Amino acid sequence: QKEVEQDPGPLSVPEGAIVSLNCTYSNSAFQYFMWYRQYSRKGPELLMYTYSSGNKEDGRFTAQVDKSSKYISLFIRDSQPSDSATYLCAMSSNDMRFGAGTRLTVKP
Amino acid sequence: GAVVSQHPSWVICKSGTSVKIECRSLDFQATTMFWYRQFPKQSLMLMATSNEGSKATYEQGVEKDKFLINHASLTLSTLTVTSAHPEDSSFYICSAERTGDYEQYFGPGTRLTVT
Repeated sequence: QKEVEQDPGPLSVPEGAIVSLNCTYSNSAFQYFMWYRQYSRKGPELLMYTYSSGNKEDGRFTAQVDKSSKYISLFIRDSQPSDSATYLCAMSSNDMRFGAGTRLTVKP
Repeated sequence: GAVVSQHPSWVICKSGTSVKIECRSLDFQATTMFWYRQFPKQSLMLMATSNEGSKATYEQGVEKDKFLINHASLTLSTLTVTSAHPEDSSFYICSAERTGDYEQYFGPGTRLTVT
């Protein structure tokens, strides 16, 4: 079993939809939880960074961490075609683990 | 499948010495590998793109003579930090792009501490 599981998709939604992206993990030592957005053949761009459990909101993006369930989520409200990218979850303690990435397409 | 390893996972070295970090794709071939450096608050900076059999492409501001990259095979890329200084202390992460479908897989990172 991988330490971090993320559904690779692809996920296709209409413009304006609410997008829900999720990851599960097995290592209870993870303390930092991140979501990165990656456009094709570009480096990952940090979207959200959370320490421990709870919610964090930044504009149209909301990150949730539930350490008791070992489950993290990223919600995108009012999705735009420019949100089309691969979204990677990642988590770290002493080292870092990435999910496989979910490829999202937002159709106009 | 699609596992990327890095070695070592953690290294401490003295200022002025050189350190080599390996990035391996264990079960797939990777024509292209990427090297990242992690900055505070977990942001990642792309340092260079490593192509098998050719010279690496460095991002602006990254010293190619300081961060030597070699991609000698389809499963191995190395990053050598030459004449390391304390400001080079960081978390270095590689990713490997699977040949054919461009899916990118990340390694677990190497923590470098220069004393």
